[in-house]
Amino acid sequence: AQSVTQLGSHVSVSEGALVLLRCNYSSSVPPYLFWYVQYPNQGLQLLLKYTTGATLVKGINGFEAEFKKSETSFHLTKPSAHMSDAAEYFCAVSASYGNNRLAFGKGNQVVVIP
Amino acid sequence: DTGVSQDPRHKITKRGQNVTFRCDPISEHNRLYWYRQTLGQGPEFLTYFQNEAQLEKSRLLSDRFSAERPKGSFSTLEIQRTEQGDSAMYLCASSLVSGLAGVEQYFGPGTRLTVT
Repeated sequence: AQSVTQLGSHVSVSEGALVLLRCNYSSSVPPYLFWYVQYPNQGLQLLLKYTTGATLVKGINGFEAEFKKSETSFHLTKPSAHMSDAAEYFCAVSASYGNNRLAFGKGNQVVVIP
Repeated sequence: DTGVSQDPRHKITKRGQNVTFRCDPISEHNRLYWYRQTLGQGPEFLTYFQNEAQLEKSRLLSDRFSAERPKGSFSTLEIQRTEQGDSAMYLCASSLVSGLAGVEQYFGPGTRLTVT
């Protein structure tokens, strides 16, 4: 079984400051890891994913995440926050085979302070 | 590629009524997933299809819920005898899985259900 822990439901960041969202996962098999973003009243949009290979993955809108197996982590970062980054962010894990169903964390609501 | 679409976007119903939602996946995607998202929570898996076959159902999916995907194209999710606890956003996602590729799921905008 797979699960994800995201701490701190609300994250406030100043415009231009570093965005750091933490994600720790649990998986009994090699995992695939994802970050999704959700804007109000919309579905989820994939930011980036890790499947195999390079552990530092780059996504859309300047976001990147690093897979650290020893720490069972997949933290999301962006060097400089923009007002348009205000949204809810979800980390998700799936098994690397089988049904690939996603197990999501509870999400982080990011507020960008001008 | 027009993306995943869902209909309706919003549904308000009275307790005890039946409701049906539709999901149109990205054309030629062979997998289709349903998730439920309640306020302040991440989405939770409900069920998924590989082509027309429903291969797994979560224990969250009570007997009042049924899903179909005839001919492996669009899918419907029906809730019978709705309860207030069914109020949530119902999300549909699709993917094209071939070997080790295609594990990312593309989500629709969701159907927000309110049971009064």
